[in-house]
Amino acid sequence: GENVEQHPSTLSVQEGDSAVIKCTYSDSASNYFPWYKQELGKGPQLIIDIRSNVGEKKDQRIAVTLNKTAKHFSLHITETQPEDSAVYFCAAGSGYSTLTFGKGTMLLVSP
Amino acid sequence: DADVTQTPRNRITKTGKRIMLECSQTKGHDRMYWYRQDPGLGLRLIYYSFDVKDINKGEISDGYSVSRQAQAKFSLSLESAIPNQTALYFCATSGLGLAGVNEQFFGPGTRLTVL
Repeated sequence: GENVEQHPSTLSVQEGDSAVIKCTYSDSASNYFPWYKQELGKGPQLIIDIRSNVGEKKDQRIAVTLNKTAKHFSLHITETQPEDSAVYFCAAGSGYSTLTFGKGTMLLVSP
Repeated sequence: DADVTQTPRNRITKTGKRIMLECSQTKGHDRMYWYRQDPGLGLRLIYYSFDVKDINKGEISDGYSVSRQAQAKFSLSLESAIPNQTALYFCATSGLGLAGVNEQFFGPGTRLTVL
């Protein structure tokens, strides 16, 4: 089955800095790579996703890149703000299977 | 109203008790999932159902069972709770979107403590 590794497990940045979270996956059949943000006391919420036919996708301050050859994908957050502080999860899967999640990254943005 | 609801939100129980966690959704999705979240271990899949007559084991199904009562309802049971089942439990739903993607929508979670 699919195996997703996520790094780092914790990340501390100053407000305004950029943050990068990296994930690798093992199953070459995976073609859908979402990122979820979980705020304290809430369920995970999708913030951005990318499909295997695209190398990069941006949405305002967040972007995701995908390297299918190397089987890795990354989340980039620019101009971080305190409200970006949360746990972020990457996942891999396809429309015809379940998603496998990484172990999560706790991002702390200090004012 | 929330699209995915879970009851109860918090539960404290004792070892050996039977517990049921319930999930309801108004999104009209066919697919429903139960996950367990433990610190440092991320989200692990317990059971999933792709339609009312379909039930599948996930990565960590031992000690759990599920029931899909209707398209909108999916319950998770712990037949005889044990302390290492203390965790945060999430229900999620998904429908096939564009090009077969599988965006999942999560409920608010149930915090279960087994003493």
